[in-house]
Order: sequence, then structure tokens, then C-alpha cells
Amino acid sequence: EAQVTQNPRYLITVTGKKLTVTCSQNMNHEYMSWYRQDPGLGLRQIYYSMNVEVTDKGDVPEGYKVSRKEKRNFPLILESPSPNQTSLYFCASSWLAGDNYNEQFFGPGTRLTVL
Amino acid sequence: SQKIEQNSEALNIQEGKTATLTCNYTNYSPAYLQWYRQDPGRGPVFLLLIRENEKEKRKERLKVTFDTTLKQSLFHITASQPADSATYLCALEDVKAAGNKLTFGGGTRVLVKP
Repeated sequence: EAQVTQNPRYLITVTGKKLTVTCSQNMNHEYMSWYRQDPGLGLRQIYYSMNVEVTDKGDVPEGYKVSRKEKRNFPLILESPSPNQTSLYFCASSWLAGDNYNEQFFGPGTRLTVL
Repeated sequence: SQKIEQNSEALNIQEGKTATLTCNYTNYSPAYLQWYRQDPGRGPVFLLLIRENEKEKRKERLKVTFDTTLKQSLFHITASQPADSATYLCALEDVKAAGNKLTFGGGTRVLVKP
């Protein structure tokens, strides 16, 4: 089954404790992205990757790191989480479909609470 | 930067009626307009896309229009059913941006009552 998986699905942590949220896709997509979703603000892109070893900042990259060492994996790293990073996080993968449009396939989400 | 606005108020509608959602954007750029459905506790799912040179697109009971003069897309669910209850997100795809960047609206929640 074609899918994007994320782990963990739920995480409660404390300020300053480094964490990693994993993301994996089995569709051989070149593009992968991380978004956060907050009430009233919608989905905002944190980082994206256009291929292995190619990453770039999205709209809200501060406090986050990513890496893309393999095509299927795109982990999100919070080196020193803070309460304002409490949010619902989505990983997505995509390819430029037949007519070159960017259809996003989203994972199930990770709900992160930073105390 | 691009700003996408959707009506943040929930739309309550009777089963069988047509639900109409609005998506407005601020800046012009060569673009596609995408619509996604999001159910509680799940990631968004792609529904359909309309290109800037298309006035209307249909898929089953869904219809989307795209007016680049008004900078607006309308999303219609005809003959609505309780199973259509969800949050609907619009997203503007900038085809000239790196990676065809998508900017999402905040979504409109639709509740279809039997």
C-alpha cells in the first residue's frame, strides 16, 4: 500500500530535550516536506527536500533541522524544543505528476506537546 | 508573501443541498489551485486541482472554479451527504517556485446534517 508513515504519532516532552520525528514514504517520490498545523494558521511548511541531500527552508524553519540521506526518509529534528513548537506535524511526499503539478501525499500526523 | 484565506466559520448544511466554499488569495503568480479534504486526526487528502487557464473542473459531485481576476476559487459539493463532513483546505501551487511550493489556507469545516 502506498503510504507515508510518521513516528511517533503522539509525543509529550519537556523543554530542551532533543527529539526526532521520523517520516518514511514507499512511493519513490523525490519531494518531501514537513508542515506544522496550528488553529487559525493552517498548514505552514517548515522544510522541504527536492531529492537526496537537497533540503531547503520553508516558511517557518526556526528551531528545526532536517536531513535527507535516503530517498524514502526525511526525519524532522528538534534540537531544543520549546513550548511554541507544540503543534500537529505532518510529513508529506510528492512528485510532479503527469502535468507537472505537485500533489502532496500526507502522513497521519504527529501531535507534539512541549511542556 | 502569498496569503490564502478561507472562511474560518464552519459551514452547516442540510443533506442534499450544495455546499459552497470560498478560497481567496492575495498575490498573483502562475499557479494551480488545489483542494484537499482533512478528516479529524488524519492528514489531508488531495481531491482535485484546477489550472489558472481553466474556468471550471468537475469530479463526481465536486466542482471547482478558478477566477484569476477575482483571485478566488469556489469549491462546490453538490447533493451533499453526511459523509462529506470534513475540513476542506485549498492550496495555491506556485509553479515557478522551487519545488512548486504550496501555500495552504486555514480550511473550512463542513458539517452535513441528515
